[in-house]
Amino acid sequence: GESVGLHLPTLSVQEGDNSIINCAYSNSASDYFIWYKQESGKGPQFIIDIRSNMDKRQGQRVTVLLNKTVKHLSLQIAATQPGDSAVYFCAETSGSNYQLIWGAGTKLIIKP
Amino acid sequence: EAGVAQSPRYKIIEKRQSVAFWCNPISGHATLYWYQQILGQGPKLLIQFQNNGVVDDSQLPKDRFSAERLKGVDSTLKIQPAKLEDSAVYLCASSRQGASYGYTFGSGTRLTVV
Repeated sequence: GESVGLHLPTLSVQEGDNSIINCAYSNSASDYFIWYKQESGKGPQFIIDIRSNMDKRQGQRVTVLLNKTVKHLSLQIAATQPGDSAVYFCAETSGSNYQLIWGAGTKLIIKP
Repeated sequence: EAGVAQSPRYKIIEKRQSVAFWCNPISGHATLYWYQQILGQGPKLLIQFQNNGVVDDSQLPKDRFSAERLKGVDSTLKIQPAKLEDSAVYLCASSRQGASYGYTFGSGTRLTVV
């Protein structure tokens, strides 16, 4: 079936370094992708999104890249800070009911 | 604007007991979602409301789960009777009508069934 998944369950990076979190999706008809950050004990928080007619979008310290050829999505976090420690989920919308299909998540750990 | 409110934050019950969760979405958000999130996994949609009507409940285990949104605002999710595998975080989210962007999640209710 259609799915969105992540390559790495855990990513450990040095504070100040850049982080790259990857995501693969299988539904070539998906037209909207979102990255969420979920801190312990909280609900997912929107970080950045991208539509399928774009291949790159930048926010504050974050960049999302979309490669439709290989159905791959990535989230880049610049100058990673301790507050970036969380589980990151990618999600896609499929269909007309605006429902999200979620990946399993990548846990980002920041080393001091 | 105020966020999505959920209560209780934590609940521990024995299997076969009943439990109910409450959600108050962001004012003006017509669409409300209930998700189940098992530790280490992404959220799984249980039910989607548009105002007070059900849009999709295909993944709701209807033999034990029920949800309602009678006045198109607050919503309750009930489990009766609970099973051990129902232990999870139950997240409520809301969005403006017809929008896949702007989802806002509550902090969730962590349910432990023992």
